[in-house]
Amino acid sequence: GAVVSQHPSRVICKSGTSVKIECRSLDFQATTMFWYRQFPKKSLMLMATSNEGSKATYEQGVEKDKFLINHASLTLSTLTVTSAHPEDSSFYICSAIFGTEGNQPQHFGDGTRLSIL
Amino acid sequence: AQSVTQLDSHVSVSEGTPVLLRCNYSSSYSPSLFWYVQHPNKGLQLLLKYTSAATLVKGINGFEAEFKKSETSFHLTKPSAHMSDAAEYFCVVTRLNTNAGKSTFGDGTTLTVKP
Repeated sequence: GAVVSQHPSRVICKSGTSVKIECRSLDFQATTMFWYRQFPKKSLMLMATSNEGSKATYEQGVEKDKFLINHASLTLSTLTVTSAHPEDSSFYICSAIFGTEGNQPQHFGDGTRLSIL
Repeated sequence: AQSVTQLDSHVSVSEGTPVLLRCNYSSSYSPSLFWYVQHPNKGLQLLLKYTSAATLVKGINGFEAEFKKSETSFHLTKPSAHMSDAAEYFCVVTRLNTNAGKSTFGDGTTLTVKP
């Protein structure tokens, strides 16, 4: 099956640091990649949708200057949390699809646990 | 517009007994429906999907779900629960045949399996 690799799996860093999370589709070319944030005991909150070679589409309330998304190729998208603060601590999950979103399932990475001290 | 309601936030069953996780949806369009499972500190794994073909969908690990348009439901079932089924389950709806819409996730159901 389709595999999405997300790295790192866990990050602990000081407040003010910028953190980059990578999401790679290993065995398929992703039409679209999604970035989610998940709070404890909660569902996934879509942060942004990214397509290769174009600017990401951010959901309402998500600061694009805070959460920088780069989708440089059909197999790689990165999320950079700039100048992270404790309130940015969360579980971040990426997913990727090949083809039309409505017909195809999303393939999820294993998530990144971000802890800002 | 579309929405998903997972009717139970927690379900507890004994090992070997049937599992029923309920999901109702609403959609202005022909929907695609998915069930995903999430184990602690992991991403989501696809269990099964409905995309306008057979209304009874079989998935991995013995799970299946039936799309009932008249009831706007897509409940997930398994005849016999296993300890390894304990996890969080998400029902997801999206619009068929389009990239215009986004997926809408239910709030999740936590399945506990007692020995």
